Amino acid sequence: EVQLVQSGAEVKKPGESLKISCKGSGYSFTDYWIAWVRQMPGKGLEWMGIIYPDNSDTRYSPSFQGQVTISADKSITTAYLQWSSLKASDTAMYYCAKRGRSDHSFFMDVWGKGTTVTVSS
Amino acid sequence: SYELTQSPSVSVSPGQTASITCSGDKLGDKYVCWYQQKPGQSPVLVIYQNNKRPSGIPERFSGSNPGNTATLTISGTQAMDEADYYCQAWDRSTVIFGGGTKLTVL
Repeated sequence: EVQLVQSGAEVKKPGESLKISCKGSGYSFTDYWIAWVRQMPGKGLEWMGIIYPDNSDTRYSPSFQGQVTISADKSITTAYLQWSSLKASDTAMYYCAKRGRSDHSFFMDVWGKGTTVTVSS
Repeated sequence: SYELTQSPSVSVSPGQTASITCSGDKLGDKYVCWYQQKPGQSPVLVIYQNNKRPSGIPERFSGSNPGNTATLTISGTQAMDEADYYCQAWDRSTVIFGGGTKLTVL
């Protein structure tokens, strides 16, 4: 079974750093892009960026460029999303998702359960 | 930057057909997919590449993408289909989501 297992909920203070994870299993992790998607409370889905685990080629949404860092360790089939200095506005659910098999389109066929990040003083 | 526009809400009676639209400039030139998200759950892919259904998605879900507007159609809508639906496209190496449509079955 193809799965993405995300790390647990986090509660942090403004200014703290954070790295959350997404572990893939049941498929060839290095062959498919992984996306990160933010969903703020009561709001829609926002694409943050993608990474190709085989060579760590990374693309960011302009809205998130410079705000977060996406990385991957293919040896342990895990992708990461990290912040160096959290803000209250980073409070949200964060999903990782696997790109489906396609050369001509980008769709996400498997999603993790999400990681809730709460930033509050 | 490219934008996708969805109506905030759609209502449908059980057993009827629900149509959820997604508009964007020359959207028909791109592939569109659709996700269903129920409260407290992760999104689920229901349509990809305009009109393909992933394994396990009921046949009542279908999609089309002519011109500037893509449509997700749910035939014989059931109470379990009540959810938020998001369209998504791929443009210049960027993933774009629509704002989402809340489908109410009443």
